[in-house]
Amino acid sequence: EAQVTQNPRYLITVTGKKLTVTCSQNMNHEYMSWYRQDPGLGLRQIYYSMNVEVTDKGDVPEGYKVSRKEKRNFPLILESPSPNQTSLYFCASSLSLGIANTGELFFGEGSRLTVL
Amino acid sequence: KNEVEQSPQNLTAQEGEFITINCSYSVGISALHWLQQHPGGGIVSLFMLSSGKKKHGRLIATINIQEKHSSLHITASHPRDSAVYICAVRYNSGNTPLVFGKGTRLSVIA
Repeated sequence: EAQVTQNPRYLITVTGKKLTVTCSQNMNHEYMSWYRQDPGLGLRQIYYSMNVEVTDKGDVPEGYKVSRKEKRNFPLILESPSPNQTSLYFCASSLSLGIANTGELFFGEGSRLTVL
Repeated sequence: KNEVEQSPQNLTAQEGEFITINCSYSVGISALHWLQQHPGGGIVSLFMLSSGKKKHGRLIATINIQEKHSSLHITASHPRDSAVYICAVRYNSGNTPLVFGKGTRLSVIA
């Protein structure tokens, strides 16, 4: 089954304790991206990757890191989480953004992170 | 900064009504997405379009490139259509591939 898998789905942590949210897709997609969703602000892009070893900042990259060493995985790293990073996080992938028929977005189920 | 505006922000409809949700953007785009997010959080892609019109079941999406506007229509609405509908566009310029609207919260009452 084609899917995007995020882990963990729920996490409560404390300020400063490094954490990683994993994202994996099984569709051989080139494009992967991380978003955070906050009430009243909608979805905002954190980082995205057009392909292996190619990553770029989105609208709200501060406090986050990513890597794309393999095509299927795109982990989101919070080196020193702070309470303002409490949010609902989504990973998404797409075969390609540039071609109308192959740009459908597939989202993970979301990871709800609370930083105390 | 390029933005995406959706209207209305909230919409309540009676079961069976025809529903329209609007999305406007500011400059040239290469593609526009309509997404659905049900209570509980999961997001699914409904449509991706760059011109014209697409239909899937009771859902219809249209885009007018000249007017920089897209609409999502739901015919014969049902309570299971209750969700947040999100428009996202890929602008031709700028270094952020997708820009999202803030969503339209739809409630369909039986």
